[in-house]
Amino acid sequence: SQKIEQNSEALNIQEGKTATLTCNYTNYSPAYLQWYRQDPGRGPVFLLLIRENEKEKRKERLKVTFDTTLKQSLFHITASQPADSATYLCALPSSGGSYIPTFGRGTSLIVHP
Amino acid sequence: DAGITQSPRHKVTETGTPVTLRCHQTENHRYMYWYRQDPGHGLRLIHYSYGVKDTDKGEVSDGYSVSRSKTEDFLLTLESATSSQTSVYFCAISGHEENEKLFFGSGTQLSVL
Repeated sequence: SQKIEQNSEALNIQEGKTATLTCNYTNYSPAYLQWYRQDPGRGPVFLLLIRENEKEKRKERLKVTFDTTLKQSLFHITASQPADSATYLCALPSSGGSYIPTFGRGTSLIVHP
Repeated sequence: DAGITQSPRHKVTETGTPVTLRCHQTENHRYMYWYRQDPGHGLRLIHYSYGVKDTDKGEVSDGYSVSRSKTEDFLLTLESATSSQTSVYFCAISGHEENEKLFFGSGTQLSVL
């Protein structure tokens, strides 16, 4: 099965800077990768999906890259704001041919004013 | 927000008692999932459903059973609750196509004393 690694340490940055979060995976290369945001006491909320044939995807201040050679996805938030403070989870199919998402443990982002 | 409701939102129960959590959706989505979320483990899949009466096990299914008699309802049952099942339980749904994003409910905080 897929193993997903996200930095367990919180990322602290200043408002206005770019936050970069990392998602590494082992084993097979997935057909797609997703990023979710989770606020305390709430369920995760879908942000972006990037497919294996896409190198980069953007949505407003968010940018996701997908490097199947490195087995890594980077999630960027530009011009970060305190409201961006949350835990960010990446998710991949649990195994080849599966559509069942497996989630990383998430990385907490704290944006300081 | 997607039409997905979890009940109850909070529950305290005693070891050895049966517990049923309910997930109700109004989106007519095919796939429904139950995850549990624990510190240090992230989201882990318990069971999922790919249609009425069609269910399968996830990575942490021991001690849990599910039922889906209608498209809109997915029930998670702890036959005899244990303290190790104290957790936050999330229901999620996704659409008819594979690889679609998940919509999560608000979660159920379950404490087994």
